[in-house]
Amino acid sequence: NAGVTQTPKFRVLKTGQSMTLLCAQDMNHEYMYWYRQDPGMGLRLIHYSVGEGTTAKGEVPDGYNVSRLKKQNFLLGLESAAPSQTSVYFCASSYGGSTSGEQYFGPGTRLTVT
Amino acid sequence: AQSVTQLGSHVSVSEGALVLLRCNYSSSVPPYLFWYVQYPNQGLQLLLKYTTGATLVKGINGFEAEFKKSETSFHLTKPSAHMSDAAEYFCAVRGMNRDDKIIFGKGTRLHILP
Repeated sequence: NAGVTQTPKFRVLKTGQSMTLLCAQDMNHEYMYWYRQDPGMGLRLIHYSVGEGTTAKGEVPDGYNVSRLKKQNFLLGLESAAPSQTSVYFCASSYGGSTSGEQYFGPGTRLTVT
Repeated sequence: AQSVTQLGSHVSVSEGALVLLRCNYSSSVPPYLFWYVQYPNQGLQLLLKYTTGATLVKGINGFEAEFKKSETSFHLTKPSAHMSDAAEYFCAVRGMNRDDKIIFGKGTRLHILP
């Protein structure tokens, strides 16, 4: 099993450009998550999904959109990138419902917006 | 609502010495508790988790943690530090309700001194 994979690993954008980050998991997990990690801030939840076709806002959703058209994929979009979105982005997945819900993380995407 | 506090954003220990990383949580319901490790330029990896039952939980790489309900703590320990333990460690909590999400602490970076 590949687990959770993320594409791309690195990206540099100019202010105002758009991009999509792709997350894929092969563990048949119901739940998927997008986080950003910044120095001293820990992990902050951007958006999450509790099943195919559903999405919900997390702690810091502004400037991002997501889609979950297939159970195994969760896309994070930046429509008009800003320097404040320079960060490392992590995707995670988990079983849902009444399980303990530990999350499995991808390797991350390092995004720089100039 | 759940929350997590990790005491000390940086901890330094000598190689061979005891590792102790502190975590306190608050939860209105019995919690699930987790420790994750993040090596440089990688995603988070589950070290160990507490669900129910035995309060002393053993994880990978010789780490263990003890759930102390009276102290609302879940401190992470390892008897003898190794250079390869240098990483960032995150404590996390999740309530047992179906819709509860994992809440992560801000992390503690562990430095190992030769």
